[in-house]
Amino acid sequence: DAGVIQSPRHEVTEMGQEVTLRCKPISGHNSLFWYRQTMMRGLELLIYFNNNVPIDDSGMPEDRFSAKMPNASFSTLKIQPSEPRDSAVYFCASSFGRGFNEQYFGPGTRLTVT
Amino acid sequence: AQRVTQPEKLLSVFKGAPVELKCNYSYSGSPELFWYVQYSRQRLQLLLRHISRESIKGFTADLNKGETSFHLKKPFAQEEDSAMYYCALSLLDSSASKIIFGSGTRLSIRP
Repeated sequence: DAGVIQSPRHEVTEMGQEVTLRCKPISGHNSLFWYRQTMMRGLELLIYFNNNVPIDDSGMPEDRFSAKMPNASFSTLKIQPSEPRDSAVYFCASSFGRGFNEQYFGPGTRLTVT
Repeated sequence: AQRVTQPEKLLSVFKGAPVELKCNYSYSGSPELFWYVQYSRQRLQLLLRHISRESIKGFTADLNKGETSFHLKKPFAQEEDSAMYYCALSLLDSSASKIIFGSGTRLSIRP
């Protein structure tokens, strides 16, 4: 298994543009998490899904952020419109069962908004 | 409110010296705590969890409910221990069952 797959690995975009980050969890895992990592705030949980259903989106910073999980093998995190303060590394992680089980992280997407 | 605090952003020690990365948590329920590690150019990965009571790569961590701490320790640091370490708290009592991460400590081992 290739583990959690994220694309793109790097994204550079201009302020105001729409950005879509993609994640493929490990096959068989039924929980999926989106995190944002910055120097100032560390690793923040944005949203997580269990069995494709959003369970907790209280970490989503504002309405510009949205996430979907149309099926068990794919999730997207969208930012529209993007702003320079959204620049960060975005991680996707998956696990089997609930959040207290080991989470397997993807390599991350480094987003730069200019 | 639930919180995980790692007071040190950077910890630098000499090879062979003892290491202690501090972690304190705030949670009224029954905590489950983890340490995750991110080596250079590698993915964030689980290092150890308190419920397993295991030693991984020479690291141990003991849950102290009285002090609400879960400090990570190693008696003799190795250069390959240089990495970013995150303490994490799982909220078992919540129906939303999620993990809260601390802000991380970068451990640098000097030769």
